[in-house]
Amino acid sequence: QVQLQQWGAGLLKPSETLSLTCAMFAESFSGYYWSWIRQPPGKGLEWIGEINHSGTTNSNSSLKSRLTISLDTSNTQFSLKLSSVTAADTAIYYCARGRGGFAFDVWGQGTTVRVSS
Amino acid sequence: QSALTQPASVSGSPGQSITISCTGTSSDVGGYNYVSWYQQHPGKAPKLIIYEVTNRPSGVSNRFSGSKSGNTASLTISGLQAEDEADYYCSSYISSSTLVFGGGTKLTVL
Repeated sequence: QVQLQQWGAGLLKPSETLSLTCAMFAESFSGYYWSWIRQPPGKGLEWIGEINHSGTTNSNSSLKSRLTISLDTSNTQFSLKLSSVTAADTAIYYCARGRGGFAFDVWGQGTTVRVSS
Repeated sequence: QSALTQPASVSGSPGQSITISCTGTSSDVGGYNYVSWYQQHPGKAPKLIIYEVTNRPSGVSNRFSGSKSGNTASLTISGLQAEDEADYYCSSYISSSTLVFGGGTKLTVL
């Protein structure tokens, strides 16, 4: 049974860099895309971006300039960095496994990130 | 990347059937058979219930079904149960290997 466990700083100041990591257990990175998705308080889901086993990334155009998604295959982890955060980046951030066609069948537990001065 | 359009809320009584719509354009819902649906209970991560328009992952009840006509995808839940009360989100692949979600629909079981 594949599991995703994520962690990272939960409180940031404006202009800082958000950094989250997601560890994958009991599976290989190959054959899937690994995504980050966020959900602002009381609002809907927003896809942030993804990375595959070879390091190819795709991202939401609205976040692309601030976004870095990377992979550590030796530790079966992938990470998200979002620079120059503002209050609008306050959200629950999820990591997820994407099967074909952008269907996310395994999710992390979510990390609440709050941006406040 | 504009969000797909879903009704803000729907409701139904136990045993009834309800349908949630997800309207996009020919560049997303209408252009690809990569529509997914997710169920999210309060405080929980979303759960995949439909992928590629009509397919159910293993373990998902057959009371959940998906369909698509033109630029609108639909999720139907038959035999409503109390535990179906949740938020539901659709998503669709769009061009250039990106994805868009719907705004979400709150299902209330009366």
